[in-house]
Amino acid sequence: DTGVSQNPRHKITKRGQNVTFRCDPISEHNRLYWYRQTLGQGPEFLTYFQNEAQLEKSRLLSDRFSAERPKGSFSTLEIQRTEQGDSAMYLCASSLALGGGPNGYTFGSGTRLTVV
Amino acid sequence: DQQVKQNSPSLSVQEGRISILNCDYTNSMFDYFLWYKKYPAEGPTFLISISSIKDKNEDGRFTVFLNKSAKHLSLHIVPSQPGDSAVYFCAAKDAGKSTFGDGTTLTVKP
Repeated sequence: DTGVSQNPRHKITKRGQNVTFRCDPISEHNRLYWYRQTLGQGPEFLTYFQNEAQLEKSRLLSDRFSAERPKGSFSTLEIQRTEQGDSAMYLCASSLALGGGPNGYTFGSGTRLTVV
Repeated sequence: DQQVKQNSPSLSVQEGRISILNCDYTNSMFDYFLWYKKYPAEGPTFLISISSIKDKNEDGRFTVFLNKSAKHLSLHIVPSQPGDSAVYFCAAKDAGKSTFGDGTTLTVKP
């Protein structure tokens, strides 16, 4: 297994456009998490899935954000009508245990979004 | 309200000396505490964890101490090596997810 894969690595978009990111977790991990990180801050929780069920969404997540994990494998994160404040690194992580358990998450390398 | 805080944005130590990174938390329901290490252009990598019912966990050069009464944990790296230079994130896990601090940038000077 090659770990957690995120695509694209970088995305530059104009304000108001829609963007979609993809995450392929470690195949045997049934839990998948999306986090957002801005400069000088730690990863901020967005949402997580157990198999295909979305179990929690951050109340910071506006209705412009939607995430899916249709068959319990890969996940997509879509941002509609992007704003400059959406510029950040979007990190995906997966784990076997809830919240990472004692062995933590395995993170992907992230997708860096720049909204111009 | 930030539930996990790392109050030192940066730390610089000499190679061979001890590095001590600190973290405070507010939520008594956290059941695991974890440390991650992050290099530029990569995602965070899990380093070491401790259960809330323990007060110490050691793995090679890395030891994490937990003081539940003070809601404080620390990561000790002994001896520090230049390759340890990275951003270190403290995280705390509740039932479903982990909450991260803002990180401490460790620089180990040769």
